[in-house]
Amino acid sequence: GAVVSQHPSWVICKSGTSVKIECRSLDFQATTMFWYRQFPKQSLMLMATSNEGSKATYEQGVEKDKFLINHASLTLSTLTVTSAHPEDSSFYICSAQPRDTNYEQYFGPGTRLTVT
Amino acid sequence: GENVEQHPSTLSVQEGDSAVIKCTYSDSASNYFPWYKQELGKGPQLIIDIRSNVGEKKDQRIAVTLNKTAKHFSLHITETQPEDSAVYFCAAGKVAGGFKTIFGAGTRLFVKA
Repeated sequence: GAVVSQHPSWVICKSGTSVKIECRSLDFQATTMFWYRQFPKQSLMLMATSNEGSKATYEQGVEKDKFLINHASLTLSTLTVTSAHPEDSSFYICSAQPRDTNYEQYFGPGTRLTVT
Repeated sequence: GENVEQHPSTLSVQEGDSAVIKCTYSDSASNYFPWYKQELGKGPQLIIDIRSNVGEKKDQRIAVTLNKTAKHFSLHITETQPEDSAVYFCAAGKVAGGFKTIFGAGTRLFVKA
């Protein structure tokens, strides 16, 4: 149980284009989903927290107009990187917190974004 | 600000030996301490967690200890196997004010056969 999927697993896009990444909780409902960014050989950096049906809460320094988050249902959250630039290239990981817990979060497999 | 320090950054052990990774946290309101294993190109996988009302928890070859007074917590892996080789992250989380988890920098564990 507690499986989280992400799609796509990797994507290459050109500068100036937008990319959408999907995060799904497959066997549980998630009231809260988190989006992280991870650079090579570094730790996970929280970008934003999204709650189903409400606006995402962004961490300091994360541009909300560049990283659009939508949490439309209890099993799906999307992250759209708008007007992508090479510096946006990174490993993006989502996690989902089951609605019946305040603590555990389960991570997706990650999406590697490369902007050329 | 809130911070989690993790040591060592790299750890190499012989198969069958034990491995210990230590973390300290700064936010005294933290009450949830998970450990994650991340293999190359994959997302982190929760391997064990402990809450602040417990001092120790064990699951087969993995154990975690927590000292709330000192704000220290540690991961112990016994009888290490090559498949234990990965990056391990500790984290400190709290629910107050909305759930939030701060991650340590990670420990790259190598288990030599």
